[in-house]
Amino acid sequence: GAVVSQHPSWVICKSGTSVKIECRSLDFQATTMFWYRQFPKQSLMLMATSNEGSKATYEQGVEKDKFLINHASLTLSTLTVTSAHPEDSSFYICTTKQGNTEAFFGQGTRLTVV
Amino acid sequence: AQSVTQPDIHITVSEGASLELRCNYSYGATPYLFWYVQSPGQGLQLLLKYFSGDTLVQGIKGFEAEFKRSQSSFNLRKPSVHWSDAAEYFCAVGAREDYKLSFGAGTTVTVRA
Repeated sequence: GAVVSQHPSWVICKSGTSVKIECRSLDFQATTMFWYRQFPKQSLMLMATSNEGSKATYEQGVEKDKFLINHASLTLSTLTVTSAHPEDSSFYICTTKQGNTEAFFGQGTRLTVV
Repeated sequence: AQSVTQPDIHITVSEGASLELRCNYSYGATPYLFWYVQSPGQGLQLLLKYFSGDTLVQGIKGFEAEFKRSQSSFNLRKPSVHWSDAAEYFCAVGAREDYKLSFGAGTTVTVRA
C-alpha cells in the first residue's frame, strides 16, 4: 500500500526558533496533503490543506503566517512552525489521499517547545 | 459541515470480553467513515473504512464496524479483546467532495487482565 513518511518523528526546540516538518509520499504522487494537529489528550484537528503548486488553504483560526506550508512537488509537503512558543507543542500529522478513496497518515511529529 | 461524536471517553474491558465503541456522525449525505487506532506516542493506524456497499465492514486485528444510516452511527466491535488492544480509538468522517476528515474526541480503551 501507499506509504507516507513524515520527518522528524520528534523534535525539541527553543522558544522563538522555527521548525520544519516534512511529509513525503513515497510511492505515489499526492496533489493534496492535509496537516492535522493533536494536542495532548485531544482529538485531531485539521489545520490546512496543502495543494501542489498553489497556496495552502487554512482552517479557521489557524495562523497562516505562523504555520507555513509549502507543497513544491508532488511528493513533498512541508510545514514550518515559525517563532515557536510552548503553546505550539503538539503532535503534528500529515495525511495524503490517493484518488478519492484512501487516506494515508504519516507517523506524526511530536514537537516540544521549551 | 460534518461532525463526529464518540459518547464514551473511556472504556475498561476485561481481556477476552467483547468490546463496542460508539460513533455517531452528522453529514448531509453518505459519508466516508473510518476508525483509527493510536497507541501512546504513535501515529494513527487505519482499522477499517466504509465508503459504500455492504454496511458491515471487516477490518484488521479482528475489528468490524456497522454503518447504520437510520441511526447515523458507525459503531466499532471486537468479539474478544486482547491486552494489545489497549489504545485510543478515533472515529472519523470524511467529506466526499474534498476528503477532509473530522475526528471524534476519541475513546480510550483500557484492558484489564
